[in-house]
Amino acid sequence: DARVTQTPRHKVTEMGQEVTMRCQPILGHNTVFWYRQTMMQGLELLAYFRNRAPLDDSGMPKDRFSAEMPDATLATLKIQPSEPRDSAVYFCASGLPGDYTFGSGTRLTVV
Amino acid sequence: EDQVTQSPEALRLQEGESSSLNCSYTVSGLRGLFWYRQDPGKGPEFLFTLYSAGEEKEKERLKATLTKKESFLHITAPKPEDSATYLCAGLTQGGSEKLVFGKGTKLTVNP
Repeated sequence: DARVTQTPRHKVTEMGQEVTMRCQPILGHNTVFWYRQTMMQGLELLAYFRNRAPLDDSGMPKDRFSAEMPDATLATLKIQPSEPRDSAVYFCASGLPGDYTFGSGTRLTVV
Repeated sequence: EDQVTQSPEALRLQEGESSSLNCSYTVSGLRGLFWYRQDPGKGPEFLFTLYSAGEEKEKERLKATLTKKESFLHITAPKPEDSATYLCAGLTQGGSEKLVFGKGTKLTVNP
């Protein structure tokens, strides 16, 4: 089965450090989402891309977060500088409109 | 503002005890209503998409239905392996279409 691959699966970092999370979408999928999941807020949309172009990043704190899609096989989410409140599970999902597959997530802990 | 609300937050059932999960939505121009299943430590796994009021879809012991204001996930004679968090999401319309998630219902089925 085709799947969305996210790396790393787990990341522990110190406050103030840069964190980069990567996502390899399923080949042929033209939409990529980044979500953050916490117990309190559930799944929150951070950013998404269609055909590699950013369409909506209104859910993302612009001063510290950035999302890019340098090519069709890679999407990245960066946090610089990281803060303890960024601790969460970050999911990438890819698909065609109406059919989306999620990766297994990156569990980020900022101490 | 687009919003999806799920109830109850948690549900405990005995094996074989049928029940329903509720998802109410206020999503302008809803393009689709999605149900996902999420197991601990994993990403959401796609179950169903419903597109119009009156539509129903079934998969094993699960049946999803859709009205103009809400969706139900009916679980018939559940088994312990059905224990998971069930997430509902609305797909918004327009060029900036995106999935808006509810916070989920955590289902526990006791043997």
